[in-house]
Amino acid sequence: DAGVIQSPRHEVTEMGQEVTLRCKPISGHNSLFWYRQTMMRGLELLIYFNNNVPIDDSGMPEDRFSAKMPNASFSTLKIQPSEPRDSAVYFCASSSGHPLGYTFGSGTRLTVV
Amino acid sequence: DQQVKQNSPSLSVQEGRISILNCDYTNSMFDYFLWYKKYPAEGPTFLISISSIKDKNEDGRFTVFLNKSAKHLSLHIVPSQPGDSAVYFCAASVIQGAQKLVFGQGTRLTINP
Repeated sequence: DAGVIQSPRHEVTEMGQEVTLRCKPISGHNSLFWYRQTMMRGLELLIYFNNNVPIDDSGMPEDRFSAKMPNASFSTLKIQPSEPRDSAVYFCASSSGHPLGYTFGSGTRLTVV
Repeated sequence: DQQVKQNSPSLSVQEGRISILNCDYTNSMFDYFLWYKKYPAEGPTFLISISSIKDKNEDGRFTVFLNKSAKHLSLHIVPSQPGDSAVYFCAASVIQGAQKLVFGQGTRLTINP
């Protein structure tokens, strides 16, 4: 298995533009998580899905953020409109249902200028 | 509200010596704890874990200690090696719950030759 695959690896965009981050979880994993890494808060959970259904989106900072999981093999995190304070590394992780089963992708480094 | 806290943003240790990384948590419902290691431009990878029914777990050079009454855990690395230089994240979970991981802010460990 290729692990959790995120794209793009790097994204530079102008303030106000729409940004879409993509994630392909490990086949067979039934949970998917989106995290954001910042200096102040470390790895901050934004939203997670269980069997493609959003369970907890309380970490999504604002209505500008949205996430979808149309099927078991694909998820997107969208920011519209983007702002400079959204600049961070965004990680996707998938899990087989036990904390030990967490696997992270390599992340997307987002820079909003 | 930061439920998992790592109060030391960075730590520098001489090669061969012991590295001790600390983590505090506030949620008494947490019953499973993990340490993750993160290299630049990569996603976090699992290092070692401990269940709340134990107070120590050892894996080679890595040992995790849990003090439930103090809501504190620590990671000991001995002897420290240059390849241990990375960011270390503490994480906590509720086994019977949603199994989402709550992370701390991370500690950047630098091992000096």
